[in-house]
Amino acid sequence: NAGVTQTPKFRVLKTGQSMTLLCAQDMNHEYMYWYRQDPGMGLRLIHYSVGEGTTAKGEVPDGYNVSRLKKQNFLLGLESAAPSQTSVYFCASSSGTSGVGEQFFGPGTRLTVL
Amino acid sequence: QQQVKQSPQSLIVQKGGISIINCAYENTAFDYFPWYQQFPGKGPALLIAIRPDVSEKKEGRFTISFNKSAKQFSLHIMDSQPGDSATYFCAARGKGGKLIFGQGTELSVKP
Repeated sequence: NAGVTQTPKFRVLKTGQSMTLLCAQDMNHEYMYWYRQDPGMGLRLIHYSVGEGTTAKGEVPDGYNVSRLKKQNFLLGLESAAPSQTSVYFCASSSGTSGVGEQFFGPGTRLTVL
Repeated sequence: QQQVKQSPQSLIVQKGGISIINCAYENTAFDYFPWYQQFPGKGPALLIAIRPDVSEKKEGRFTISFNKSAKQFSLHIMDSQPGDSATYFCAARGKGGKLIFGQGTELSVKP
């Protein structure tokens, strides 16, 4: 099992450009999440999904959109990138809120917006 | 607003020493408190977790102490090793299963 994978690993954008980050999981998890990690800020939730076809806003959703067309995939889109979106982005998945509810993280995407 | 506050921001410990990282939370509805460990260039991975009806949980050299009345919990790493050098995040689970993370602690264990 690959677990949670993210593509690409690195990306440099110019201000105003758009891009999509792809997250895939092979654990048949219902819940998927997108976080951004910035120094001294911990991980902050951008958007999340509790099942195929559903999405919801997290703590810092502005400037991002998401889609969950297939259970195993969760896409994060930046329509018009800004320097403030320079960050490391992590995708995670979990089986749900019952039991332990451990979140499994991908390796991250380092995004720089010039 | 930051609902989970973590300290210290960085910590240097000698090999064999005890590393202690503290977290405080505000929301009494949180129902699960995990600690994640992150090595450079990697995603965070679950290290140990506790529920609020338990005051202590130990797994090997790692122990969580939980004080419900004070709304505080801490991670203790006994006999710290250079391989423990990483960033540690506390978290609390709230409504809808969402995790609120602390700011992180960068631990360096010197040989």
